[in-house]
Amino acid sequence: TQLLEQSPQFLSIQEGENLTVYCNSSSVFSSLQWYRQEPGEGPVLLVTVVTGGEVKKLKRLTFQFGDARKDSSLHITAAQPGDTGLYLCAGVQNTGNQFYFGTGTSLTVIP
Amino acid sequence: EAGVTQSPTHLIKTRGQQVTLRCSPISGHTSVYWYQQALGLGLQFLLWYDEGEERNRGNFPPRFSGRQFPNYSSELNVNALELEDSALYLCASSSGTSGTTDTQYFGPGTRLTVL
Repeated sequence: TQLLEQSPQFLSIQEGENLTVYCNSSSVFSSLQWYRQEPGEGPVLLVTVVTGGEVKKLKRLTFQFGDARKDSSLHITAAQPGDTGLYLCAGVQNTGNQFYFGTGTSLTVIP
Repeated sequence: EAGVTQSPTHLIKTRGQQVTLRCSPISGHTSVYWYQQALGLGLQFLLWYDEGEERNRGNFPPRFSGRQFPNYSSELNVNALELEDSALYLCASSSGTSGTTDTQYFGPGTRLTVL
C-alpha cells in the first residue's frame, strides 16, 4: 500500500496554463518535500515544508502543507516547457528518518 | 560542495549475474538511502543505512543487499539478476541529524539493464 498518493498521475497542458498537483495521505508527516525529476536524472529537491498550514513560494511554484500535515499541494502558475518532469512528494514521519515517496505526477507542458 | 555521486552511470548485465553499485554521499552526511525506479514509475524504497548499520529495508527479496563503509559511502549488491531488475537505481544521502526535518539529496542514478 502506498502511504502517499499523488494526483493526477499524468498531466499534459499548454504553455501558460495553471495546474495543481496533490499529495494525500491518511497519515501525519512531520515534514514533506517536493522533488522534480527529469528523464535519466535523480530527483532534485524543490522545497521542504514543516509547519501545518505552511505556504512556500518558489517563483511560479506555490507549495502548501495541509493544516493536519496529512496532505500537500503544488500549484504552478503560467506553466512553461521547462516545468516538464516527474514531480514527487516525500514525507517523513515522527518515528524516524524513514522517507515515504508518493506515486509521482508526470507533467508535460506543450509549447 | 560536491553532491551525491554514483557509479557506474550505466550497466548492462545478463540474467543470473551479480552487480555492485556504488554511492558516495555528500560530505558530512551519515545516512544513505537506496531506491529502485522502474521506467516511468515512482521510487521504491530499497535500503537505508546510517552510521554503518542497516536501519530499514523495503519489500525486496534477500538477493538485494548492501553495506555502508566507515567513510559513509555505500554499496548496493544484487545477486541472481532478473529481467525485472532493470531500472534506475538511485542513491540519496541526508545528514541524519535533523530527524523530522531531514532532507534527502539524490545522486544521478545508475541505469541497470538486464538482458
